[in-house]
Amino acid sequence: NAGVTQTPKFQVLKTGQSMTLQCAQDMNHEYMSWYRQDPGMGLRLIHYSVGAGITDQGEVPNGYNVSRSTTEDFPLRLLSAAPSQTSVYFCASSQGLAGTYNEQFFGPGTRLTVL
Amino acid sequence: KNEVEQSPQNLTAQEGEFITINCSYSVGISALHWLQQHPGGGIVSLFMLSSGKKKHGRLIATINIQEKHSSLHITASHPRDSAVYICAVKNYGGSQGNLIFGKGTKLSVKP
Repeated sequence: NAGVTQTPKFQVLKTGQSMTLQCAQDMNHEYMSWYRQDPGMGLRLIHYSVGAGITDQGEVPNGYNVSRSTTEDFPLRLLSAAPSQTSVYFCASSQGLAGTYNEQFFGPGTRLTVL
Repeated sequence: KNEVEQSPQNLTAQEGEFITINCSYSVGISALHWLQQHPGGGIVSLFMLSSGKKKHGRLIATINIQEKHSSLHITASHPRDSAVYICAVKNYGGSQGNLIFGKGTKLSVKP
């Protein structure tokens, strides 16, 4: 099993550009989520999905879109990149809702810089 | 006030020392997680607990629900334990998707 994979590992964008961060998992997990990690702050939830076709907003959703057409894939779209979106992005998955009974598995992260 | 507080923020130890990292939280929780973030950035789950104590190799995690406090202990520390250790809680009242994360404790173990 590859676990949770993310592409790209690094990306530099100019302000206003759009892009998609890819996330895939091969563990047949229903629950997937996107976090961002900024210096001096804990991981913050951007969007999450409890299954194919179902997504919801997390703590910091503005400027990001997600969709979940398959169980395996959960891409994160930046609509119009801003310097405030410079961060490290992590995708995670779990068998059920994260937290109470289910361990989360994290991808390796994508380091994004917006100039 | 942050809902999850970790202490210390930074910790330097000599190889072989016993290490304790603390996590305090202010919300009612159903579970608490300890995660390890390697220097390369990858994050792995170490423990998930809702009561008592769990042990895995040289790592021990404890939780006191009444005091809203958890500790992560590392016995016989080794330079390969150098990492950021993150505490996260699943709160009863939060949205179904949300874990609340601490800012992490950066541990450096010197040979």
